[in-house]
Amino acid sequence: EVQLVESGGGFVQPGGSLRLSCAASGFTFTYYWVHWVRQVPGKGLVWVSRINSDGISTSYADSVKGRFTISRDNAKKTVYLQLNSLRVEDTAVYYCTRAQYSGPGGFDYWGQGTLVTVSS
Amino acid sequence: QSALTQPASVSGSPGQSITISCTGTSNDVGRYNYVTWFQQHPGKAPRLMIYDVSDRWSGVSNRFSGSKSGNTASLTISGLQAEDEADYYCSSYTSNTTQVFGGGTKLTVL
Repeated sequence: EVQLVESGGGFVQPGGSLRLSCAASGFTFTYYWVHWVRQVPGKGLVWVSRINSDGISTSYADSVKGRFTISRDNAKKTVYLQLNSLRVEDTAVYYCTRAQYSGPGGFDYWGQGTLVTVSS
Repeated sequence: QSALTQPASVSGSPGQSITISCTGTSNDVGRYNYVTWFQQHPGKAPRLMIYDVSDRWSGVSNRFSGSKSGNTASLTISGLQAEDEADYYCSSYTSNTTQVFGGGTKLTVL
């Protein structure tokens, strides 16, 4: 069974940092790109970042570029999202999701999400 | 990258059909056949329904279908059931090699 489990969310003050983790199981992790998507409670889904299967290629939404960093450890079957210089508007549930296939593939499996709250 | 445009809400009675539109640009929906549709119930993670414009994901009822014309993709749900009441989101691959979502559509089954 494919599973993605996020962790690392929590409460942080503006300007602070957090590292989110996404632990994968049930599939050959090294084959798949992984994305992060966030959702402000009660609002829509917003794409945040993605990383390719070997970790060499990454991409970010303009709203997080320069502040967030995505990485992966294929030996640990885990993707990370480092969140720096956090802003109140970064408050959201962060989901990791697997791309169905490399490149333009849409998202087939999702984690349960981890809540990040940025507030003073 | 601007979000794709979806109607905020649609509604229909049980047994009826509804269609949700998803309008993008020539840099996303209009350029690629990589449009995906998701269903999300309150407090739950999104669930893949349709991928690559019109392919149904495993286990998805054949009451759900997808299509595309120009810069607009559409999700049609036929034979509406109470359990279909949820939020629906489209997404598309973009020319920037990123992904973009629509703003979401709340489906109410009357």
